[in-house]
Amino acid sequence: QKEVEQNSGPLSVPEGAIASLNCTYSDRGSQSFFWYRQYSGKSPELIMSIYSNGDKEDGRFTAQLNKASQYVSLLIRDSQPSDSATYLCAGWGSQGNLIFGKGTKLSVKP
Amino acid sequence: DGGITQSPKYLFRKEGQNVTLSCEQNLNHDAMYWYRQDPGQGLRLIYYSQIVNDFQKGDIAEGYSVSREKKESFPLTVTSAQKNPTAFYLCASSIRGQDYEQYFGPGTRLTVT
Repeated sequence: QKEVEQNSGPLSVPEGAIASLNCTYSDRGSQSFFWYRQYSGKSPELIMSIYSNGDKEDGRFTAQLNKASQYVSLLIRDSQPSDSATYLCAGWGSQGNLIFGKGTKLSVKP
Repeated sequence: DGGITQSPKYLFRKEGQNVTLSCEQNLNHDAMYWYRQDPGQGLRLIYYSQIVNDFQKGDIAEGYSVSREKKESFPLTVTSAQKNPTAFYLCASSIRGQDYEQYFGPGTRLTVT
């Protein structure tokens, strides 16, 4: 069974700090990865996609992919209370399905 | 506005009744998906469809059925055979094929008593 693993948290950071969210995956055939943000009671919202090794930056968000280590991360700079949510990591498996982790709950304290 | 709509937002049913959840998209996406989310759990794939008139079972298809008669629509029926149907149901769509982003509708919260 191919898996995507995330620390469930909660991860608590002070406002203005960098939040670091991590994800590992078991399927070496996975080529593309996504981070979704899910507020309580709402549906997941896509915030980052990453397809190649290295870093990809979009505003305050940076996604990092290391295929050799089977590791994906999301950095949120200058964290705001509005960033408090559950962050889901997902990767396309070699079987053709998008596999989701269980999510990491982030709390940004004012 | 392009997007995915799901209705209703909340649904209450008695045990033993079938119920159909609606999902419509105007993103011109070929692929559509149904997921189930339980508290503290990740998303689990129920069914998916890559093209009209074709669909495949996901990891937890038992007790569910779908149809795909139109590109824009992918309704999900939760049958009385589903042992624990109370959950948050999410519909998603994407460009057909692997490696593309999936976009989600707002979800339907189903409660069966």
